[in-house]
Amino acid sequence: NAGVTQTPKFRILKIGQSMTLQCTQDMNHNYMYWYRQDPGMGLKLIYYSVGAGITDKGEVPNGYNVSRSTTEDFPLRLELAAPSQTSVYFCASIPGTGNYGYTFGSGTRLTVV
Amino acid sequence: DAKTTQPNSMESNEEEPVHLPCNHSTISGTDYIHWYRQLPSQGPEYVIHGLTSNVNNRMASLAIAEDRKSSTLILHRATLRDAAVYYCILRPLTGANSKLTFGKGITLSVRP
Repeated sequence: NAGVTQTPKFRILKIGQSMTLQCTQDMNHNYMYWYRQDPGMGLKLIYYSVGAGITDKGEVPNGYNVSRSTTEDFPLRLELAAPSQTSVYFCASIPGTGNYGYTFGSGTRLTVV
Repeated sequence: DAKTTQPNSMESNEEEPVHLPCNHSTISGTDYIHWYRQLPSQGPEYVIHGLTSNVNNRMASLAIAEDRKSSTLILHRATLRDAAVYYCILRPLTGANSKLTFGKGITLSVRP
């Protein structure tokens, strides 16, 4: 049972490039989330999903896209990377609505230069 | 979303108990109180959560005020490994968009 797995762990992008941050969970959780954390700050919600085929925006969705074709995978797409997207990205999951603690991945550190 | 208020930082001595406070005066009846911690360069880690009654687990205890407007995370014997940022978060139980909203948290330093 690996929990929530994020890849890559580190990445440097040039301005205008695109990339996909991968997130996979093997706990059969329905709800999945993407957060970003800027230096010295708390986490901000980018997008979330309550099941395959269902996604919705969080606080800071601009510049990102997501898809959820399976229960296990919730990739985050960055189109036209900008320096403001330099951050650490965390994926998280829970079984669903109810009384659960979240399981977080170990994060992807992204630098846009 | 209901908000929480935490001190910016606290210091503790190793092997002593630590009480981390959190105020949430606008909490609603269906909000659960969650605590997470984040060690340096790691993802957040679930610590404990509760609704009305005090809760204990292997990591910590959660004491919830009778009016639910405040709570305290208790680490019974702090270790150096407990040095981290601790987040107190309210999460509504119901709703498709029931999600965690993180503030800045409280930075706990542990002195040897």
